[in-house]
Amino acid sequence: DAGITQSPRHKVTETGTPVTLRCHQTENHRYMYWYRQDPGHGLRLIHYSYGVKDTDKGEVSDGYSVSRSKTEDFLLTLESATSSQTSVYFCAISPGQGGQPQHFGDGTRLSIL
Amino acid sequence: AQSVTQLDSQVPVFEEAPVELRCNYSSSVSVYLFWYVQYPNQGLQLLLKYLSGSTLVKGINGFEAEFNKSQTSFHLRKPSVHISDTAEYFCAVSGRNTPLVFGKGTRLSVIA
Repeated sequence: DAGITQSPRHKVTETGTPVTLRCHQTENHRYMYWYRQDPGHGLRLIHYSYGVKDTDKGEVSDGYSVSRSKTEDFLLTLESATSSQTSVYFCAISPGQGGQPQHFGDGTRLSIL
Repeated sequence: AQSVTQLDSQVPVFEEAPVELRCNYSSSVSVYLFWYVQYPNQGLQLLLKYLSGSTLVKGINGFEAEFNKSQTSFHLRKPSVHISDTAEYFCAVSGRNTPLVFGKGTRLSVIA
């Protein structure tokens, strides 16, 4: 959808290991976002980017870092994964904020044992 | 800061019956409002959006929503639902230069 690819789609790992999730877009949109989705919480913003090397924190940024070295790629890193970070992670893109809708990837299901 | 409250976590409805999914928002500034749908094991898809102008907004799949500024609401409606409408629905709000804030979702179950 809307030229967004998330990888991997599924991952199982152990507590304490580093994990990197990748979001790749082909739409040349300025904004990219990382959300996590948990039952009863809806979608919560982790971090977002408004350009190459320009990022900002969201509502639940603790324990996560991001990087954007190219317009098309936005990486989410869990430096030392914890079981509380087991979730479904979604990437989204948009050309701008305000009234511009976001388009979502298909998600990455991450399980931390 | 904006916030969104979806008043029902689950809504069961019989096929071909009408449905309303309720959404209230809070914001001290002008807002933009959205409804998204999520089918199982998929990402979110935009159903409709309100930016300005007419308060009745029509979206895809026969859905519509009405923006009510005095009630700070943006309820989603469909006059006759189908089995295929079974999904989770999210209301979201943003300000002029802020990211989307999502509600916790309403799970619509259509019963044959």
